[in-house]
Amino acid sequence: DSGVTQTPKHLITATGQRVTLRCSPRSGDLSVYWYQQSLDQGLQFLIHYYNGEERAKGNILERFSAQQFPDLHSELNLSSLELGDSALYFCASSATGELFFGEGSRLTVL
Amino acid sequence: AQSVTQLDSQVPVFEEAPVELRCNYSSSVSVYLFWYVQYPNQGLQLLLKYLSGSTLVKGINGFEAEFNKSQTSFHLRKPSVHISDTAEYFCAVSNLQGGSEKLVFGKGTKLTVNP
Repeated sequence: DSGVTQTPKHLITATGQRVTLRCSPRSGDLSVYWYQQSLDQGLQFLIHYYNGEERAKGNILERFSAQQFPDLHSELNLSSLELGDSALYFCASSATGELFFGEGSRLTVL
Repeated sequence: AQSVTQLDSQVPVFEEAPVELRCNYSSSVSVYLFWYVQYPNQGLQLLLKYLSGSTLVKGINGFEAEFNKSQTSFHLRKPSVHISDTAEYFCAVSNLQGGSEKLVFGKGTKLTVNP
């Protein structure tokens, strides 16, 4: 158990819809990272938050947004969903440079 | 920009045989290197990491890796594999540019250990 909690574990929705994925980092970790894992793209870095502030942005679509709240949990919002957004979304947290990953949220867009 | 190339997408081996999973990276600055393992339907677990110091790094489950700066490689090895090592293995690189320790991952290598 990495200590990073992600909900929901599975989500099935339709094209055009909006979903929110939630991540609770390990106790005391200030950094939260979001990654997307798909068969064709592999593991892609989306965004990094540190103590509520955006620190780095990767290949994140404009339809996607994220935020980190004062209690340090983070949410990834995916809107106007397309079939190609079907993927496993991982959250990771870190304190000292080592990333600890949650078990992921598997999103299926039909 | 950094990139990671895992040269083999799939590696089948027999139980108790040695294995090497290859990883090459590209970066214009000093990097930190990692190997993660992903078992089916699970998240990623850190196997080992190279930050500095000795180029031979030992990790969990009997795995080790050697950092070779001149060849920009960080190959993962295990002298004798078990069925339970069947999983996907990811090599990753990071630095501290911009204050973010984000990881750039390779495409992964699926290791299948057969009896």
